[in-house]
Amino acid sequence: QKEVEQNSGPLSVPEGAIASLNCTYSDRGSQSFFWYRQYSGKSPELIMSIYSNGDKEDGRFTAQLNKASQYVSLLIRDSQPSDSATYLCAVNDQAGTALIFGKGTTLSVSS
Amino acid sequence: NAGVTQTPKFRILKIGQSMTLQCTQDMNHNYMYWYRQDPGMGLKLIYYSVGAGITDKGEVPNGYNVSRSTTEDFPLRLELAAPSQTSVYFCASSYVGGIGDTQYFGPGTRLTVL
Repeated sequence: QKEVEQNSGPLSVPEGAIASLNCTYSDRGSQSFFWYRQYSGKSPELIMSIYSNGDKEDGRFTAQLNKASQYVSLLIRDSQPSDSATYLCAVNDQAGTALIFGKGTTLSVSS
Repeated sequence: NAGVTQTPKFRILKIGQSMTLQCTQDMNHNYMYWYRQDPGMGLKLIYYSVGAGITDKGEVPNGYNVSRSTTEDFPLRLELAAPSQTSVYFCASSYVGGIGDTQYFGPGTRLTVL
């Protein structure tokens, strides 16, 4: 059973702080890794994708991938109340045809 | 482009009733997917399609059926609705479905079975 594990949270950080979200996956053959943000009652929207080991930065967001440790993380710098949402980690299966999602981590940013 | 659209937004069914959830995309994507999301859970894949006329089961296909007669449409059929099918259903699409391809999600259908 291929799995993606995330801490459910909630993760609470003050405005302006760095939020760190973590994800581990079981399938060593996975090659694509995604972070989706989901506001309450809304559909998931892609915020970051990463395919190779190391860091990938996009504005206030940095994704980090370590395939040897089967670990993906998302850092949100200068966190804003509008970042309060559930963050879903998703990993491609080996065939590349489907995404396997974690249960999500709920982030709460207080002003 | 409207992207991925789903109808209806909300629906209440009685046990044993049937219904079809509609999904349409206007991005000319080959791959389409149906997921369900239960409260506090991630998304579980129900069925997916790699192109018109081709469908395959995902992780939780029991109680559902799909068809794909056109590139744009991918309806999900619930036969004999059960309370366990109470969930939020998301349709998604992607261009090639391969490694690295991004999936785009519709707004979801919230289904309650009583």
